[in-house]
Amino acid sequence: SQQGEEDPQALSIQEGENATMNCSYKTSINNLQWYRQNSGRGLVHLILIRSNEREKHSGRLRVTLDTSKKSSSLLITASRAADTASYFCATGRRDDKIIFGKGTRLHILP
Amino acid sequence: ETGVTQSPTHLIKTRGQQVTLRCSSQSGHNTVSWYQQALGQGPQFIFQYYREEENGRGNFPPRFSGLQFPNYSSELNVNALELDDSALYLCASSPKRTSGGYSSSTDTQYFGPGTRLTVL
Repeated sequence: SQQGEEDPQALSIQEGENATMNCSYKTSINNLQWYRQNSGRGLVHLILIRSNEREKHSGRLRVTLDTSKKSSSLLITASRAADTASYFCATGRRDDKIIFGKGTRLHILP
Repeated sequence: ETGVTQSPTHLIKTRGQQVTLRCSSQSGHNTVSWYQQALGQGPQFIFQYYREEENGRGNFPPRFSGLQFPNYSSELNVNALELDDSALYLCASSPKRTSGGYSSSTDTQYFGPGTRLTVL
């Protein structure tokens, strides 16, 4: 079974708008990571936030983590056509497993 | 620095056959994980290898087995293929680090491009 659950399952926005995706999980974690996947290819790591961190930035990406609610969000600002992809959250657990959610399919409209 | 590579890119097998998928980890990484990704789903953790030993396993039957070699490359073997084994198989490498007495390999995963397996 998959631990992370992304919300929404699919998202379509206009180019230039901000995109927000959420992730919820069930058990204690070492870290939470976000990945991007284009057209069924290999996943690309975007950002990692550790369990003792609350917010992290990388370029146009902003990730928040609320361990009390067991949730995280990924914000992509000023979206571009190249941001069209599937986005997955993955939880790094203390048993050395990384568990992925089902992903959010993001479509940036021209 | 060489990234993670996988072979073959695509593979077609028939039900009941056996398959071996290969992965070369990124330079300097000593941990390899394998994932199965069905169409429209997220990657499902199969197992992880560290220092040539299995270091964690997901909910996959024993017919899914693996190997890690001294150069940290890895193989995934699947016996008695079933139609539901059709999927994208992803390999990922990462460094195993120790911090505060706790050893973890749950940091950033570097993925290969995957092997698309079709079982007919």
